[in-house]
Amino acid sequence: QSALTQPPSASGSPGQSVTISCTGTSSDVGGYNYVSWYQQHPGRAPKLMISEVSKRPSGVPDRFSGSKSGNTASLTVSGLQAEDEADYYCSSYAGSNRGVFGGGTKLTVL
Amino acid sequence: EVQLVESGGGLVQPGGSLRLSCTASGFTFSSYWMTWVRQAPGKGLEWVASIKQDGSDKNSVDSVKGRFTISRDNAKNSLYLQMNSLRAEDTAIYYCVRNIVSNDFWGQGTLVTVSS
Repeated sequence: QSALTQPPSASGSPGQSVTISCTGTSSDVGGYNYVSWYQQHPGRAPKLMISEVSKRPSGVPDRFSGSKSGNTASLTVSGLQAEDEADYYCSSYAGSNRGVFGGGTKLTVL
Repeated sequence: EVQLVESGGGLVQPGGSLRLSCTASGFTFSSYWMTWVRQAPGKGLEWVASIKQDGSDKNSVDSVKGRFTISRDNAKNSLYLQMNSLRAEDTAIYYCVRNIVSNDFWGQGTLVTVSS
């Protein structure tokens, strides 16, 4: 039950796009279309931003998009805004009624 | 409005026990898998345990197997986590969340501190 691999940090200037990767294995990310992405601001509970690889819950700006190729999923934030600065976590279904999270990526808006 | 409210956290000595509770409202609790997720201070999220709608199926992360037990009472719209043989590394905020993955609703969390 190893955590999914995310880069510890990412950054971009306002208006730019940034992509965060999430690498797992064929037993989790590659095996199921149940990859989610969460945004967490300091002191707050995480918020679901993307579900099932690329679905945006109601209320999430369309600047946020998700994709997957093989064992790697990606979150792209387009048109970066100051309020996008936060920690981002991926998660995946891992079979046998288990979930697994990534280690998290701190996104800095320069 | 969907609400998940955790309670039961606190300071406990190593080897001690604690029972977390989560009261759900605003949705049909008995229709959803429910999950506990934890976050150690300054660290990332960790999936801890999930339980099926009727409680007939459940699973947990290897590091808590044999020590933690997830359960639910659909009549009370409540989710529980019984934590025994607590260790320092179990210190974390524990969140009650809806679903196994695609966790669309989260509680505010309850802090568990394991220390002598």
